[in-house]
Amino acid sequence: EVQLVESGGGLVQPEGSLRLSCAASGVIFSNYDMHWVRQATGKGLEWVSRIGVAGDTNYLDSARGRFTISRDNGKNHVYLQMNSLTAGDTAVYYCVGFDTLSALLYWGQGTLVTVSS
Amino acid sequence: QSVMTQPPSASGTPGQRVTISCSGSSSNIGSNVVTWFQQLPGAAPKLLIYENNQRPSGVTDRFSASKSGTSASLAISGLQSEDEAYYYCAAWDNSLNGFWVFGGGTHLTVL
Repeated sequence: EVQLVESGGGLVQPEGSLRLSCAASGVIFSNYDMHWVRQATGKGLEWVSRIGVAGDTNYLDSARGRFTISRDNGKNHVYLQMNSLTAGDTAVYYCVGFDTLSALLYWGQGTLVTVSS
Repeated sequence: QSVMTQPPSASGTPGQRVTISCSGSSSNIGSNVVTWFQQLPGAAPKLLIYENNQRPSGVTDRFSASKSGTSASLAISGLQSEDEAYYYCAAWDNSLNGFWVFGGGTHLTVL
């Protein structure tokens, strides 16, 4: 069974930093593109970043330069380093795995990031 | 970044068939596959449809989807109370540096 478990969320002050982690199990992690998608309270889904199987990366315009996505295939982990955080980054952050072989996608349960003084 | 448009709400009575539309552009739906997600209250989104019209194992065949040009649609037949949820379409967009774009979501109410 595929499981994605996020951690690292919490309360951070404006201009602060946070590192989110996502642990994958039940998968051949090296076959997965990994994404971070966020959802502010009462709002829709917003894609944040992607790292492909080859390590190529993509970012939401407002995240580029502030956020860095990375992966460790040996540990089956994907990370999102978030710097210069603002209130607009407050949301539940979901880890999403895309199996490049089957085209199936899997979601974690999310981790809440709150940016507030 | 580009927008994909969904109606904010839809409704139907038990047993009815409802459809939810998703309108995009040549750089997203027109060029790439469409995915649909269901989000039940208080839960994480769940994969409903992938590669335009494929159902993952465990998803009832009451859900179906199609794509034509730069638009897509999700159909739910035999509506049940447990179908009340938010539904999101998504597609990769090839413009700029590439990004994944979601529709704004449609809240389905079962009357």
